[in-house]
Amino acid sequence: GAGVSQSPSNKVTEKGKDVELRCDPISGHTALYWYRQSLGQGLEFLIYFQGNSAPDKSGLPSDRFSAERTGGSVSTLTIQRTQQEDSAVYLCASSRAGAWTDTQYFGPGTRLTVL
Amino acid sequence: DQQVKQNSPSLSVQEGRISILNCDYTNSMFDYFLWYKKYPAEGPTFLISISSIKDKNEDGRFTVFLNKSAKHLSLHIVPSQPGDSAVYFCAASKVTGANNLFFGTGTRLTVIP
Repeated sequence: GAGVSQSPSNKVTEKGKDVELRCDPISGHTALYWYRQSLGQGLEFLIYFQGNSAPDKSGLPSDRFSAERTGGSVSTLTIQRTQQEDSAVYLCASSRAGAWTDTQYFGPGTRLTVL
Repeated sequence: DQQVKQNSPSLSVQEGRISILNCDYTNSMFDYFLWYKKYPAEGPTFLISISSIKDKNEDGRFTVFLNKSAKHLSLHIVPSQPGDSAVYFCAASKVTGANNLFFGTGTRLTVIP
């Protein structure tokens, strides 16, 4: 079946602009995660959605970052007033039920460049 | 604060030899450990995992070893193949909480034909 898809694959924006990144998880997966990988860094957790529960936003670096998940499927990560330090690859992952042993399947990522 | 560390950013190994990738962690609450493999322009793909109740898990050419007392795990690939050339990320998760993964910074493995 189809894997996790993300769009766009690349996004170049000017400092101060807002951007939206989209994630389509694997059909039927109830858990969805956003991570980002900055240059020379490991993947950093941002936010976690599980079913209809309130999301875990503990990894969001600032209030400029927000995410929503509509209908328990597609998720959008929004970065407002982008800064140069937001430049990174943003990765989305989904898992079947969010249990700690469930494999997380990653999308190809969106490379964000803030000029 | 990097809770999962991969101190070797790169490793080169001859084809057919063993590749050993190392990972250390600091959080004693971690109970589940994973290795992901990543090719350029692709997302990480799951490779192998181990729970804290085990000290070894094997899957074909890949074996993960866990030393809880030392907070250390390693991935052994034997024999190494050119197609194994990729960036390998070590990751850990806790039983409680969001079940998000804590990743290391990765080790780039190059297998020389």
